[in-house]
Amino acid sequence: KAGVTQTPRYLIKTRGQQVTLSCSPISGHRSVSWYQQTPGQGLQFLFEYFSETQRNKGNFPGRFSGRQFSNSRSEMNVSTLELGDSALYLCASSLGAALTGELFFGEGSRLTVL
Amino acid sequence: DAKTTQPPSMDCAEGRAANLPCNHSTISGNEYVYWYRQIHSQGPQYIIHGLKNNETNEMASLIITEDRKSSTLILPHATLRDTAVYYCIVRYDNYGQNFVFGPGTRLSVLP
Repeated sequence: KAGVTQTPRYLIKTRGQQVTLSCSPISGHRSVSWYQQTPGQGLQFLFEYFSETQRNKGNFPGRFSGRQFSNSRSEMNVSTLELGDSALYLCASSLGAALTGELFFGEGSRLTVL
Repeated sequence: DAKTTQPPSMDCAEGRAANLPCNHSTISGNEYVYWYRQIHSQGPQYIIHGLKNNETNEMASLIITEDRKSSTLILPHATLRDTAVYYCIVRYDNYGQNFVFGPGTRLSVLP
């Protein structure tokens, strides 16, 4: 079956702009989470959604937000972009209805802020 | 979640077993040990997880010491495609996806 799909794969923005990233989880998966990966900070948890509700949130400023739709697809938004927001943004999904176990990650959206 | 310590890098000859250690001396009784890996420019990939007993699947084996303060991930016959960063994560198994990834071990499989 199809894996986790993230779009766009690459994008370039300038400081002050905003960006929206999309994630389609594996069919049947109801839980979606987002991670930011940078060379300096590594992989950091942003937030998680389950059945359209935010279930967990990491330590990121309010400029980072997300949502989940009824079909489990998720979007994350970053407003007022800063140079430090340049990163690989990864989406992961899981069934979500039982113990965590295995997360399935997409290939990520690589954001460059100029 | 308990903190983990892993060597920053390791080398392994192709075809040999790769043994990746992880220390988690502050692990509590109901925390699980997870292993993920990340091949360059891809998202992390789940490998295996366990609580107390040793575990094996088609990718690897997980050996957890009796006192649970450390574990070893074993790739029985490493190939060049196993070159990746390997993350050891200790966490309570709950309904959340909020994993805490450390810097991991960069494994280089050499021909």
